[in-house]
Amino acid sequence: DTGVSQDPRHKITKRGQNVTFRCDPISEHNRLYWYRQTLGQGPEFLTYFQNEAQLEKSRLLSDRFSAERPKGSFSTLEIQRTEQGDSAMYLCASSPAHRETNYGYTFGSGTRLTVV
Amino acid sequence: DQQVKQNSPSLSVQEGRISILNCDYTNSMFDYFLWYKKYPAEGPTFLISISSIKDKNEDGRFTVFLNKSAKHLSLHIVPSQPGDSAVYFCAALGTNAGKSTFGDGTTLTVKP
Repeated sequence: DTGVSQDPRHKITKRGQNVTFRCDPISEHNRLYWYRQTLGQGPEFLTYFQNEAQLEKSRLLSDRFSAERPKGSFSTLEIQRTEQGDSAMYLCASSPAHRETNYGYTFGSGTRLTVV
Repeated sequence: DQQVKQNSPSLSVQEGRISILNCDYTNSMFDYFLWYKKYPAEGPTFLISISSIKDKNEDGRFTVFLNKSAKHLSLHIVPSQPGDSAVYFCAALGTNAGKSTFGDGTTLTVKP
């Protein structure tokens, strides 16, 4: 297993366009998380899944953001009608359920989004 | 309202000395606390955790101390090595786990 993979690594898009990111977690991890990080700040929670069920979604997340994990394996994060404020690093992480308290998450390297 | 705060944006120490990174939290519902290390162009990597029923957890050169009454935790690195130079994030979770709340990080520089 090569860890958590995210694709693409970088994305530049024009304001108003839609973008989609993909995350492939560690295969035996049933929890998958999406975080967003801007310069000088820590990761900010967006949403997380256990298997295919979306268990929690941040209130900060507008309706332009949607995430799916259709078969409980990979996940996609879509941002519609992108805005310049969406420019950030989008991090995906995974963990076995209920082990994140003692062993943390395994993060991917992130997708850096730039909206121009 | 930032529930997890790392008040020192940066810290510089000499190789071989102790590094102490601090973190404060406001939410009494947090039961687990973790430290992550992040190198440039990589995602954060889990370092060490502590449960709120403990006041200390040690793993090699890394020790985390928790003062629950003060809502304060610290990460001690002894001895510090140049390879420890990175951004360190403090994170907290509630009993039901799942979502973590992160601080804004402290950039540690260990000088040879």
